[in-house]
Amino acid sequence: SAVISQKPSRDICQRGTSLTIQCQVDSQVTMMFWYRQQPGQSLTLIATANQGSEATYESGFVIDKFPISRPNLTFSTLTVSNMSPEDSSIYLCSVEEGAAPDTQYFGPGTRLTVL
Amino acid sequence: LAKTTQPISMDSYEGQEVNITCSHNNIATNDYITWYQQFPSQGPRFIIQGYKTKVTNEVASLFIPADRKSSTLSLPRVSLSDTAVYYCLVGDINYGGATNKLIFGTGTLLAVQP
Repeated sequence: SAVISQKPSRDICQRGTSLTIQCQVDSQVTMMFWYRQQPGQSLTLIATANQGSEATYESGFVIDKFPISRPNLTFSTLTVSNMSPEDSSIYLCSVEEGAAPDTQYFGPGTRLTVL
Repeated sequence: LAKTTQPISMDSYEGQEVNITCSHNNIATNDYITWYQQFPSQGPRFIIQGYKTKVTNEVASLFIPADRKSSTLSLPRVSLSDTAVYYCLVGDINYGGATNKLIFGTGTLLAVQP
């Protein structure tokens, strides 16, 4: 199975600033996904990132707020822009594992607190 | 993508068998049923997947009746370390498609006590 790392593991940020979260995979993958998990809640998909194309955002999420880069098949970044306290969440990246249908492997997450 | 309904929480004791049922009345013909487990401060982890009847692996069993409108995740002889949130997901297997996104429901918080 793919091994996924995220940086930073946690951060505390001030309102109005931006944070870029990195996701690194130990193998080449076509599709990467970014999720948000607010305190005590389930996961919500933010966007799907394919290498070489624009990310596809889910309803309620826009590129200006959550710009995503996918420069190669092992790396992606998610930026949380102009942060507010409502953006305090755990942000997780995942990759699709082709060995089994409809299965994804998740990174450990980035815990973001916005003051 | 079919909506799923699960109990919000369940309690159990060590050594017991735990069965978590998920309802998915609007499941489509092409949909598979997948369960994930999430420990605190970690990302979800794939547990098991099935289409119909019964599937068993080293972690759990998944029972799916003929009408496929529900499924039951069975954890044999749980231990304290099985305390986690368990998510039931239903979605289309779309190899080569535009997206294979996962839609997570509320999940079931299983609390195992000594």
